[in-house]
Amino acid sequence: EPEVTQTPSHQVTQMGQEVILRCVPISNHLYFYWYRQILGQKVEFLVSFYNNEISEKSEIFDDQFSVERPDGSNFTLKIRSTKLEDSAMYFCASSVGGLATYEQYFGPGTRLTVT
Amino acid sequence: AQTVTQSQPEMSVQEAETVTLSCTYDTSESDYYLFWYKQPPSRQMILVIRQEAYKQQNATENRFSVNFQKAAKSFSLKISDSQLGDAAMYFCATSTGNQFYFGTGTSLTVIP
Repeated sequence: EPEVTQTPSHQVTQMGQEVILRCVPISNHLYFYWYRQILGQKVEFLVSFYNNEISEKSEIFDDQFSVERPDGSNFTLKIRSTKLEDSAMYFCASSVGGLATYEQYFGPGTRLTVT
Repeated sequence: AQTVTQSQPEMSVQEAETVTLSCTYDTSESDYYLFWYKQPPSRQMILVIRQEAYKQQNATENRFSVNFQKAAKSFSLKISDSQLGDAAMYFCATSTGNQFYFGTGTSLTVIP
């Protein structure tokens, strides 16, 4: 069964550094998402992406964040200058269609630790 | 904004018994969806069950069913005949458009 994959599984970086988290969505999916979960807290929506554009983003997704689909398979989340509070689990998801009528398939997550 | 509250951080159930996980939400939207996701240890989240808010009939999926009380904004998950493989973190979520709002999760332990 097709799965969403994410790399790396764990990323450690120093404060102020740039990080890129990578995701490979399911191949026939058209909508892509990033979520984060700070340890012990709820999963929070960051951004949704369709047709090479951001379709929705949350208040968390400020100018420090950007997303890109650089080729036909990868979907990336870049954090330009990491802060300690960016330490979290980051989940990528994809779906065939938009809106909640379509199931979102989640990746296993990347644990980002900012020191 | 929408909020989702899961008041039970941890629950346990004896194998083959039934357990109910609670979830309440707050939304001003009239058209929305509700979900329960399961996250086994070190695995990705998978969809357990989905409910359209405009449907009065409670969704069921094999051993999983929901009790959707729209006026009370309550969306509980019932797991019948619990199995060891049901042990996981369970997240309640609601969505409007492309945005999902999750609760903090309930960790379910299944006792053999």
